[in-house]
Amino acid sequence: GAVVSQHPSWVICKSGTSVKIECRSLDFQATTMFWYRQFPKQSLMLMATSNEGSKATYEQGVEKDKFLINHASLTLSTLTVTSAHPEDSSFYICSARGGGATYEQYFGPGTRLTVT
Amino acid sequence: GESVGLHLPTLSVQEGDNSIINCAYSNSASDYFIWYKQESGKGPQFIIDIRSNMDKRQGQRVTVLLNKTVKHLSLQIAATQPGDSAVYFCAENRRSGYSTLTFGKGTMLLVSP
Repeated sequence: GAVVSQHPSWVICKSGTSVKIECRSLDFQATTMFWYRQFPKQSLMLMATSNEGSKATYEQGVEKDKFLINHASLTLSTLTVTSAHPEDSSFYICSARGGGATYEQYFGPGTRLTVT
Repeated sequence: GESVGLHLPTLSVQEGDNSIINCAYSNSASDYFIWYKQESGKGPQFIIDIRSNMDKRQGQRVTVLLNKTVKHLSLQIAATQPGDSAVYFCAENRRSGYSTLTFGKGTMLLVSP
């Protein structure tokens, strides 16, 4: 149980275009989803937290107009990187948390974004 | 000059040895800690967790120790196998009730056959 998927697993886009990444919880309802970014040989950095049906909470320094997050249902959250630049190239990972007292997050497999 | 963040600490061990990976955390109010394993190109995989009201927890081949006095967390892997080779991250929940995790820098574990 507790499987999280991401789509696509990798994507290449041109500068100035937008790209959408999907995160789905396959066998549980995710009241909260998280988006992280990870550069090579570095740790995961939290970008934003989203709760189903409400606006995402962005971490300091993350541009909410550039990284659009939508958590439309209890099993789907999307991250749209708008007007992508080469410096947005990174590994984007989502995680999901079910309800209740647990703090555990279940991670997706990640999406490799390359902006040319 | 030094490139901060581009070099992961690395622990190299022989197959069958016990491995100990350490993590220092900064927030004395953190109430929950998790160890994750991340293989190249994949998302983090849960290994074991511990709440701040405990100082030790054991799983299959893994043990987590928590020393709140010095704000130190360790992951012990018994009889390390080549399949254990990965980057290991500790993560802490700093804001009680909010369930957001802050990840440490990570340690690369290399297991030689």
